[in-house]
Amino acid sequence: NAGVTQTPKFQVLKTGQSMTLQCAQDMNHEYMSWYRQDPGMGLRLIHYSVGAGITDQGEVPNGYNVSRSTTEDFPLRLLSAAPSQTSVYFCASSYTLAELTDTQYFGPGTRLTVL
Amino acid sequence: RKEVEQDPGPFNVPEGATVAFNCTYSNSASQSFFWYRQDCRKEPKLLMSVYSSGNEDGRFTAQLNRASQYISLLIRDSKLSDSATYLCVVNLLSGTASKLTFGTGTRLQVTL
Repeated sequence: NAGVTQTPKFQVLKTGQSMTLQCAQDMNHEYMSWYRQDPGMGLRLIHYSVGAGITDQGEVPNGYNVSRSTTEDFPLRLLSAAPSQTSVYFCASSYTLAELTDTQYFGPGTRLTVL
Repeated sequence: RKEVEQDPGPFNVPEGATVAFNCTYSNSASQSFFWYRQDCRKEPKLLMSVYSSGNEDGRFTAQLNRASQYISLLIRDSKLSDSATYLCVVNLLSGTASKLTFGTGTRLQVTL
């Protein structure tokens, strides 16, 4: 049981490039989400999904797309990278989030630098 | 005003000390509360949930004061391994999903 996995761990992009951050979980969790963490800002929700085929925007969705074709995978796409997207990105999952006590499990993170 | 506010620290304490962290939240409709621990350059991990009656897990005690919209975490007999950033997290149920709001974290450094 690997939990939540993310690839790559590190990435450097040039402004305007696109890329996909991968996230997968093997816990059969319905709820998956993407956060970014910046110094002094805390984790901010980018997009989330409550199940396969269902996605919704979080607090900071601009410049990012997601899809959820399977329960296991929740990739995050950067359409045209900008320096403001330099951050650490965490994927998280939980069984549901309708139960208020559900634990969020985080992946190890992807450190992205946009030059 | 930030939705969840924490003193960023750092709190530098000697091994064996007792240290307390505070957190305030702005949305009175918030329904559940957590402390997460984040080690340097690692992912956050759940430390404990926070219940209205207060709860304890070994050396860690969490308290919630809904009237004052205030959450606390007390660590007794600090260990070197407690050095980390502690994130206060507030959950607001909206429809069929919840919105988790994270504080910026309080950094703890335990020294010999």
